Amino acid sequence: KQEVTQIPAALSVPEGENLVLNCSFTDSAIYNLQWFRQDPGKGLTSLLLIQSSQREQTSGRLNASLDKSSGRSTLYIAASQPGDSATYLCAAHRETSGSRLTFGEGTQLTVNP
Amino acid sequence: DADVTQTPRNRITKTGKRIMLECSQTKGHDRMYWYRQDPGLGLRLIYYSFDVKDINKGEISDGYSVSRQAQAKFSLSLESAIPNQTALYFCATSDLGHEQYFGPGTRLTVT
Repeated sequence: KQEVTQIPAALSVPEGENLVLNCSFTDSAIYNLQWFRQDPGKGLTSLLLIQSSQREQTSGRLNASLDKSSGRSTLYIAASQPGDSATYLCAAHRETSGSRLTFGEGTQLTVNP
Repeated sequence: DADVTQTPRNRITKTGKRIMLECSQTKGHDRMYWYRQDPGLGLRLIYYSFDVKDINKGEISDGYSVSRQAQAKFSLSLESAIPNQTALYFCATSDLGHEQYFGPGTRLTVT
């Protein structure tokens, strides 16, 4: 059974800092990995999708990496802003179940002005 | 307009009542999903459907049922609501192997 863990559970940083959020998964046979952002009481917004054959994906100030062999993914946020404050979730697509996702519990990020 | 919509957005109901949550999508995706989110437990899959005739149980399907009325519509029913079904419910859609897109969620409270 796939398990996804995110560390840390919460992170508080000053504005402008570069930061890394971590995601680990137990079953390396993943199809792809997806990072989401969730604002309080809101839905999930897809940030980045990394296919299992890729090492990283970039979108603006966000860069996500994937290392299947070690069961890890990281989300790098450059020059953080208060508007980046949200909960960040990673989710692994398991090969054997097509598009089914297994989610981590998220990292709650606060960027202080 | 949003690609994935959910109704209602908020609902308070009493124990034992039947309730239906509805999801519609305009992305043209074949695959649709229902998740629930609970503090400390993350998001868990309730049911998923790969097309109108293909419906599958997820991790936590007990107490729930679904109906895929059309490619664009997927509803979740609680036949007899109980308090531990109080949660935030999300619908999502995807194509095979691609990104999942989530609706805004339905906050359900069972008293």
